[in-house]
Amino acid sequence: GDSVTQMEGPVTLSEEAFLTINCTYTATGYPSLFWYVQYPGEGLQLLLKATKADDKGSNKGFEATYRKETTSFHLEKGSVQVSDSAVYFCALSDLTGTASKLTFGTGTRLQVTL
Amino acid sequence: KAGVTQTPRYLIKTRGQQVTLSCSPISGHRSVSWYQQTPGQGLQFLFEYFSETQRNKGNFPGRFSGRQFSNSRSEMNVSTLELGDSALYLCASSLTGTATNEKLFFGSGTQLSVL
Repeated sequence: GDSVTQMEGPVTLSEEAFLTINCTYTATGYPSLFWYVQYPGEGLQLLLKATKADDKGSNKGFEATYRKETTSFHLEKGSVQVSDSAVYFCALSDLTGTASKLTFGTGTRLQVTL
Repeated sequence: KAGVTQTPRYLIKTRGQQVTLSCSPISGHRSVSWYQQTPGQGLQFLFEYFSETQRNKGNFPGRFSGRQFSNSRSEMNVSTLELGDSALYLCASSLTGTATNEKLFFGSGTQLSVL
């Protein structure tokens, strides 16, 4: 079945540091890929997405590129802020592309310090 | 526009009891899906409803059930609660749940503790 593997956390960075959170997936065909963010005490919010190979999703300084050849969708940000502290989830849709049924990774907690 | 609303926010039950959680989707959204979030298993898909019909189902036992009303509001029910059912239950809504360019909106969740 489909699966998503994320790097283990927590990731602790100083403000303005470069962020990479690795995500690889296993799926039949070419699913859509997503990054969601969860702030403390809140539900998940869509951060960015890519629906086909070589697409780059971007939002709020974060970006990720859909790499079919390496089945990866790594999240990057050039300069993190304390307000970026949250849990980040990589996810994929199934073959039907149904937006409502997602397979999530285990999440990576990011802690940004001054 | 109001977001996805889940009630109650917190719930404490004992083993063997049953519980009902409620979710009101964003106005106009007809697809409602439910996820269970635990520290050990992460986020797992429970089921999805569209037009009062269950359209997709995850790998959970029959103790987990749901329904959707004509106004798209949804409830999920867990019977004969077990300690392992302690989790954050998240509801998400989207317009139709079938288009890859649709955005999924999540509620803040119901934190269920089973003692």
